[in-house]
Amino acid sequence: EVQLVESGGGLVQPGGSLRLSCAASGFTFSNYWMHWVRQAPGKGPVWVSRINSDGSSTNYADSVKGRFTISRDNAKNTLYLQMNSLRAEDTAVYYCARRGYNILTGYYTFGMDVWGQGTTVSVSS
Amino acid sequence: QSALTQPASVSGSPGQSITISCTGTSSDVGGYHYVSWYQQHPGKAPKLMIYDVSDRPSGVSNRFSGSKSGNTASLTISGLQAEDEADYYCSSYTSSSTWVFGGGTKLTVL
Repeated sequence: EVQLVESGGGLVQPGGSLRLSCAASGFTFSNYWMHWVRQAPGKGPVWVSRINSDGSSTNYADSVKGRFTISRDNAKNTLYLQMNSLRAEDTAVYYCARRGYNILTGYYTFGMDVWGQGTTVSVSS
Repeated sequence: QSALTQPASVSGSPGQSITISCTGTSSDVGGYHYVSWYQQHPGKAPKLMIYDVSDRPSGVSNRFSGSKSGNTASLTISGLQAEDEADYYCSSYTSSSTWVFGGGTKLTVL
């Protein structure tokens, strides 16, 4: 079964740090771009960051650039998000998601076809 | 990185069809064939319903279809069913090599 399981969320004070993990199983993790997407309570999803399959290329939303770092360990089938200088507005459920793949055509797509269950990050004093 | 614009809510009766719009700019929706649509039920993770404007993942009902014209993409759900009641979000790849989501549309099945 294709699965993503996030962990590492919790309560942290403003200015603090947290590292999220996303354990992948059921597919060849090293073949896929991966994303982090967050969703504040009662709000829509917001894209946070993306990393390519071998970790050599990353992109970030302006709101987290310089504070968050996405990385991956393909040997451990795990995606990470290091979050520093956390702010109250970073409070959200954080999801990892896989770049889509069309089995029929053999092409990767720009959708996100597998999502984890999310891990909650609360930034408050 | 402004959010894509969606109507806050739409509604329809069982069996009817509804369409949800998603308006962006030439730097996102209008510039690429990379619009996706997600369904989200309360307390659940988003689920991919449409990718690359109009393609459906395996297992998604053919009652769901997507299209695009200029800077506006659309999701149409035909033959509305009670289980379609959910929040729907569009998303697009952008010229900044980032992704942007819409603000979401709450679908109510009357």
